[in-house]
Amino acid sequence: DGGITQSPKYLFRKEGQNVTLSCEQNLNHDAMYWYRQDPGQGLRLIYYSQIVNDFQKGDIAEGYSVSREKKESFPLTVTSAQKNPTAFYLCASRALSFNTGELFFGEGSRLTVL
Amino acid sequence: RKEVEQDPGPFNVPEGATVAFNCTYSNSASQSFFWYRQDCRKEPKLLMSVYSSGNEDGRFTAQLNRASQYISLLIRDSKLSDSATYLCVVRGLGSGAGSYQLTFGKGTKLSVIP
Repeated sequence: DGGITQSPKYLFRKEGQNVTLSCEQNLNHDAMYWYRQDPGQGLRLIYYSQIVNDFQKGDIAEGYSVSREKKESFPLTVTSAQKNPTAFYLCASRALSFNTGELFFGEGSRLTVL
Repeated sequence: RKEVEQDPGPFNVPEGATVAFNCTYSNSASQSFFWYRQDCRKEPKLLMSVYSSGNEDGRFTAQLNRASQYISLLIRDSKLSDSATYLCVVRGLGSGAGSYQLTFGKGTKLSVIP
């Protein structure tokens, strides 16, 4: 079945540590996105990419980094510079050929900083 | 004025009731509108797009009022399985992944009670 896979589902990290969240899709989608969701809040865009080896900052990119070395993969690193990293992280993808196309989300990664 | 605003609820309704959610948006140039459904601690999934002429999908009806800059979602004959948070999503101008900037509302929580 086609879809988006995020891992790990739950992650605990000590302050000062970097952590990388994995996102893989087999939908052949060009565009991929990372969102952050806090309790009672809307989704906020961290980074997005529409082509291999290219990505752009979203609204809250500070303290995060990404790479897009393969079309299928868009990992997100939460660095120690991110001041409040505890959140629910959602990866999504979309087919660029459909301008009003649906965003498909992974199941999310829940990061807790201890 | 917030970009996309929703009543957070919760809306507690009995099974079989009709319930309506409204969402207002601030950018008059917004292009596309969607309702996503998010179950507790899960990823959002597209419920329906909202078309200018209004559209219906079974028990769900979505409407757009560009003049007043709001969209609505009507659920008839509520089921227990409709319990979820409903996210209003608005897209701005342009094309391509970069300008496919979706703005998410914080969501309206619905609880359908037996």
